[in-house]
Amino acid sequence: DAGVTQSPTHLIKTRGQQVTLRCSPKSGHDTVSWYQQALGQGPQFIFQYYEEEERQRGNFPDRFSGHQFPNYSSELNVNALLLGDSALYLCASSHLLAGVSETQYFGPGTRLLVL
Amino acid sequence: DAKTTQPNSMESNEEEPVHLPCNHSTISGTDYIHWYRQLPSQGPEYVIHGLTSNVNNRMASLAIAEDRKSSTLILHRATLRDAAVYYCILSYGQNFVFGPGTRLSVLP
Repeated sequence: DAGVTQSPTHLIKTRGQQVTLRCSPKSGHDTVSWYQQALGQGPQFIFQYYEEEERQRGNFPDRFSGHQFPNYSSELNVNALLLGDSALYLCASSHLLAGVSETQYFGPGTRLLVL
Repeated sequence: DAKTTQPNSMESNEEEPVHLPCNHSTISGTDYIHWYRQLPSQGPEYVIHGLTSNVNNRMASLAIAEDRKSSTLILHRATLRDAAVYYCILSYGQNFVFGPGTRLSVLP
C-alpha cells in the first residue's frame, strides 16, 4: 500500500513566479492537509481539503491556494513567490469520520527554494 | 488551539529507555494527544496517539497523566535510528499545531 506521495521532490523558482505542488493521499483517505515547514521550525498548517472544498485554513495569504480532485489527490499553488516562501511543503492525508479527521499521515515533502 | 511544552533537546544512550515529556495544561476533554517524529529531510512520521488511557504499539508507549495535563512518550530501547525531532500535538480532528518539538540525540 503506497503511502502519501508528493511531487516534485525538489524545486527551484525565482521571485514572482508561480509554483504548483502535487500530493496523492494514502489509499482509503479522503482528506488532504498542507503544511509549510521553514528550516529549523515545526510545520505550519496552510489548509485542509475534503470533498473538493477547502475545509479549514491557517494564517496564510491568498497567494496560497489549493485544489482537491475527485480522486482525492490535491495541488498546492503559490503565486507571486517571495524569498520567504522557501521551505519544505508537506502534504498529509487522513480519513474524515463523523466530521473528525483521524490520524494524519505525512508525505516526504517538496523542498522549494526561491531565489 | 491548545498548546504543548516540550524540552528543546534530550540525549540518550543506545539500548536504554527514553522518556520524552510533554506538558499540555490547557488540554480540553476531547483533545487527543498525538506524537510524531521527524528524521532529517523527511516528513513527520506517526508514532502513537491516545485520549485518556495509556497506549502501546510496536514503536513506543504513551503514558498519560490522570488529569491529562501531561504525557510521556516512552521508547523502550533507543536505537541510533530513533534520533529525530519528536513532536507532541493536541488535536480533535482539527489541523495539527506543531511546536518546535524535542530533538533527541542517541549516543552509541
